[in-house]
Amino acid sequence: GAVVSQHPSRVICKSGTSVKIECRSLDFQATTMFWYRQFPKQSLMLMATSNEGSKATYEQGVEKDKFLINHASLTLSTLTVTSAHPEDSSFYICSAREQGISSYEQYFGPGTRLTVT
Amino acid sequence: GDSVTQMEGPVTLSEEAFLTINCTYTATGYPSLFWYVQYPGEGLQLLLKATKADDKGSNKGFEATYRKETTSFHLEKGSVQVSDSAVYFCALRRSNAGGTSYGKLTFGQGTILTVHP
Repeated sequence: GAVVSQHPSRVICKSGTSVKIECRSLDFQATTMFWYRQFPKQSLMLMATSNEGSKATYEQGVEKDKFLINHASLTLSTLTVTSAHPEDSSFYICSAREQGISSYEQYFGPGTRLTVT
Repeated sequence: GDSVTQMEGPVTLSEEAFLTINCTYTATGYPSLFWYVQYPGEGLQLLLKATKADDKGSNKGFEATYRKETTSFHLEKGSVQVSDSAVYFCALRRSNAGGTSYGKLTFGQGTILTVHP
């Protein structure tokens, strides 16, 4: 149980285009989903927290107009990187927290490798 | 702000060797502490956790003790296996309830472990 999927696993796009990454909780309902960014040999950095049906909360320094997050249902959150540039190339990871569970444990997706050329 | 520092890797060991991966933290209040493991091509999985001082988390032969006096949560295993090869992340979560930061995980930079037969 508690499986989180991400799609696509890898994407290459041209500079200036937009890319959408999906995060799905497959066997549970997720009230809250988190989006992280991971640079090579570095830690996961939290970008934003999204709650179903409300606006995402972005961490300091993260451009909310560039990284659009939508959490329209209890099983799906999307991250759209708008007008992507090479410096946006990174590994993006989502996690989900199960609805109604007090342990606040997060279940992580396998990540999406974004390369902007 | 909160921070987690892990020993730098990569760590390379022979099978059945003893493993220690150091982790120290800086945080206000009384955070919960976690070790996550990321196997190749997979998402992060919770390995073990401890929620208060002197708690010992354990799973799959791995152990870590929450040491408040030294602000540490070192990961240990007495006899590693080839299948333990993965990236290990130490993380903390604030204990204060309420606000958008509750549930937020702060990660260390990760330690790559390679175990040879």
